[in-house]
Amino acid sequence: QKEVEQNSGPLSVPEGAIASLNCTYSDRGSQSFFWYRQYSGKSPELIMSIYSNGDKEDGRFTAQLNKASQYVSLLIRDSQPSDSATYLCAVTPAPTSGTYKYIFGTGTRLKVLA
Amino acid sequence: KAGVTQTPRYLIKTRGQQVTLSCSPISGHRSVSWYQQTPGQGLQFLFEYFSETQRNKGNFPGRFSGRQFSNSRSEMNVSTLELGDSALYLCASSPTGNSGNTIYFGEGSWLTVV
Repeated sequence: QKEVEQNSGPLSVPEGAIASLNCTYSDRGSQSFFWYRQYSGKSPELIMSIYSNGDKEDGRFTAQLNKASQYVSLLIRDSQPSDSATYLCAVTPAPTSGTYKYIFGTGTRLKVLA
Repeated sequence: KAGVTQTPRYLIKTRGQQVTLSCSPISGHRSVSWYQQTPGQGLQFLFEYFSETQRNKGNFPGRFSGRQFSNSRSEMNVSTLELGDSALYLCASSPTGNSGNTIYFGEGSWLTVV
């Protein structure tokens, strides 16, 4: 089982729709969760971080975390063609693990159709 | 505030050669981590440094090495290059690298091995 799993996609949504991106992780002690966006040929850029169960909203983006289900998602409302990119989910291990690495999923490619 | 700076941005090397990549973190950040990104494998963790000490190493052969200087700048070296080492090498920095820190990526170094 991979440590962080994402559906590779592509996920195609029409412009103006809600895009829903999902991520599951295997380490129940994971503490911090991040979503990065990566355009083709560019480096990842942070969209949102979330640390506690529930929803966190920032503009058109909402991150949702459910630690019991080991599941984190990203919703993009009013999707725009400029949102077309690969979205990476990243998880940090439990502080007690003594490790200092961020574990990334392989990413979900989102295509927003104009 | 300047971001993470990586040099060189693009380079082409021949099999068997060695390469050194450089990373200057965001001012005040003391943790630097390195990742390799390839189309098939996604973002793979190489190593993380804090205060000149390597705290974690990923599952890469000994040909991959790194170091961090007292000013937090970091270098990574790949010796005896193989075709499979062709990838985007990303450096990321954070204040301490602890769980909960957000990591910020540089623009990456594109390495092509021929």
